[in-house]
Amino acid sequence: KQEVTQIPAALSVPEGENLVLNCSFTDSAIYNLQWFRQDPGKGLTSLLLIQSSQREQTSGRLNASLDKSSGRSTLYIAASQPGDSATYLCAVFKAAGNKLTFGGGTRVLVKP
Amino acid sequence: ETGVTQSPTHLIKTRGQQVTLRCSSQSGHNTVSWYQQALGQGPQFIFQYYREEENGRGNFPPRFSGLQFPNYSSELNVNALELDDSALYLCASSLMGVLNTEAFFGQGTRLTVV
Repeated sequence: KQEVTQIPAALSVPEGENLVLNCSFTDSAIYNLQWFRQDPGKGLTSLLLIQSSQREQTSGRLNASLDKSSGRSTLYIAASQPGDSATYLCAVFKAAGNKLTFGGGTRVLVKP
Repeated sequence: ETGVTQSPTHLIKTRGQQVTLRCSSQSGHNTVSWYQQALGQGPQFIFQYYREEENGRGNFPPRFSGLQFPNYSSELNVNALELDDSALYLCASSLMGVLNTEAFFGQGTRLTVV
C-alpha cells in the first residue's frame, strides 16, 4: 500500500527566505508525482508534474526534484512572498487503482 | 484557473439524508475522479469514472456512488449521510490514455452534515 508523508506539517518563514518542502513515498513504482497548492477552504491548484523518468521540473520560482529510488521529492520555492502562504500537497500516481495518493500537506506561512 | 467546475460550493444536510454533488470536467478530458478531504488532512480517493463506468474505487462504502454522463460530467451521490461525511469533496479531471496526464481539480464542495 502506497503511503505518502510530508514533513514538516507546518512551516513559518520570513519573507525572502527560500522554502524547502519535503515529500516521501513508500512505493517507488509510480508514473508521476504532482505538487499542488491549496488555499484555505479552496480546491487544489496544480503547480508541477514530474514524470517518473524525470529528475526535476521548474516553473518560475518553483523547482521540484524527484528521486524515485529513494522515494523522495522536494519542492523549492525561491525568494518566498506572503502570497506563497498556503498548504502544499504532494501526490503520487500509480496505474493500479487509477488514483492519486496524497500526503497530509505542509502548511506554509510567509511573514512580511 | 482550471476548467473544472463543481456545484454547489457549500451544502448543509441532516444526518440520514441523501446528497448529490456535481462536477463538469475540463474540456478535452474524459476521466473524472472524486476525493474526500477532511479538515487538516490530504484528500482521499473515492472513485474514478471513465467512459461512464467506475474505473477504480477507494476504501469507501457502497452508499457512496457515482455517475458519469456522455459529456464526461459526473455526479457523486451519498446516501444515509453520517456526521463523519462532513468534508470538502473535490473533483478532478484528467485524460485517460495519456500516461503522464496532469490532474486538474475543481474548487470543491464543502458538505456539512448536522
